[in-house]
Amino acid sequence: RKEVEQDPGPFNVPEGATVAFNCTYSNSASQSFFWYRQDCRKEPKLLMSVYSSGNEDGRFTAQLNRASQYISLLIRDSKLSDSATYLCVVTLNTGGFKTIFGAGTRLFVKA
Amino acid sequence: DTGVSQDPRHKITKRGQNVTFRCDPISEHNRLYWYRQTLGQGPEFLTYFQNEAQLEKSRLLSDRFSAERPKGSFSTLEIQRTEQGDSAMYLCASSRGDRGHSPLHFGNGTRLTVT
Repeated sequence: RKEVEQDPGPFNVPEGATVAFNCTYSNSASQSFFWYRQDCRKEPKLLMSVYSSGNEDGRFTAQLNRASQYISLLIRDSKLSDSATYLCVVTLNTGGFKTIFGAGTRLFVKA
Repeated sequence: DTGVSQDPRHKITKRGQNVTFRCDPISEHNRLYWYRQTLGQGPEFLTYFQNEAQLEKSRLLSDRFSAERPKGSFSTLEIQRTEQGDSAMYLCASSRGDRGHSPLHFGNGTRLTVT
């Protein structure tokens, strides 16, 4: 079983749509959770951290369910510029801070 | 620009040759990570340094891969006796290590092609 699993996608949505991405992680000792964004042929960049209480950043909402080992990302009012790959990221405190990326979910937002 | 710097950007080598890549992290960052990424996949963890100490190494790595960070600043990743399956983008990232997790800042990567 992979340490971090995501919906494979791709997701094709029209502008203005709401889209949700799911992610599960296998290690219950996982400590920190994040969503990164990666544009085509670019390096990944942090989108937002994910907190147990849930958190929102503009059109983006992230939620964490530690009991189910599940993370989600909701994008409201999708823009063309949201087209990218969204990577679910988990950090394990194993003496260091090993950071594991999911395979990513590709999003295409169309006019 | 004081971001993460990787060199070279591209490397084409013949199977069986050794290659070495360099990463210069953001100067105040004491954590440094190496990842490998192939098309359609997320970055795959290879190894991680806290200052000059290599704290984690993926079990996926064979003995052909070695990484160093001798003075806790720049790092090198060497692949010996390259194989076609080693063809990938090799990404370096750094972060601050005072406590917990801080965001990873990635370099532009080194694209390796093994012919």
